[in-house]
Amino acid sequence: DAKTTQPPSMDCAEGRAANLPCNHSTISGNEYVYWYRQIHSQGPQYIIHGLKNNETNEMASLIITEDRKSSTLILPHATLRDTAVYYCIVWNNFNKFYFGSGTKLNVKP
Amino acid sequence: GAVVSQHPSRVICKSGTSVKIECRSLDFQATTMFWYRQFPKQSLMLMATSNEGSKATYEQGVEKDKFLINHASLTLSTLTVTSAHPEDSSFYICSAREVVLYNEQFFGPGTRLTVL
Repeated sequence: DAKTTQPPSMDCAEGRAANLPCNHSTISGNEYVYWYRQIHSQGPQYIIHGLKNNETNEMASLIITEDRKSSTLILPHATLRDTAVYYCIVWNNFNKFYFGSGTKLNVKP
Repeated sequence: GAVVSQHPSRVICKSGTSVKIECRSLDFQATTMFWYRQFPKQSLMLMATSNEGSKATYEQGVEKDKFLINHASLTLSTLTVTSAHPEDSSFYICSAREVVLYNEQFFGPGTRLTVL
């Protein structure tokens, strides 16, 4: 079962940073934090993942708290094409991959 | 990144017929694949874990005789919806685990099943 909680929806103005929070207070020491997004009627798309250090790639940044009980996905300059459902998932590469309810991000012009 | 394909992308069938959906990892070998079902405006629900060369393991409440899974090779898993009924209409998505190069799950584009 999903071990993460996320707000059901968030709004963001186009061009501004979108900060999506995720709580994972029961995360185990060997579990990574993964973020995926799903645009309507498509398969989920990988965004970023991390264990305990902050991570950045061409799509986003991931900030993980020191106690690893929560994280924030940052889209630095949101565009209309970033409108999607964003899922935060904890996974250790061996167990099952469960989705929570995710956050519907609405990027508005 | 690695690529996972699904076929068909869309299928319409009559009630009582069986439908097979294929999931392929195109450029990597996947010993484990997952099958999900997604109803409108809901999250992805894990149905089963497909293990190459062995029986699939099903989540609680998923009928193993209705949703037959075969993972005969390291690049192909199939899901067969047997005796489909309108309530089986859904979006079916597969994923494959790749932990050598990318350490992540790669998802297929999904299959939209409509049972009339």
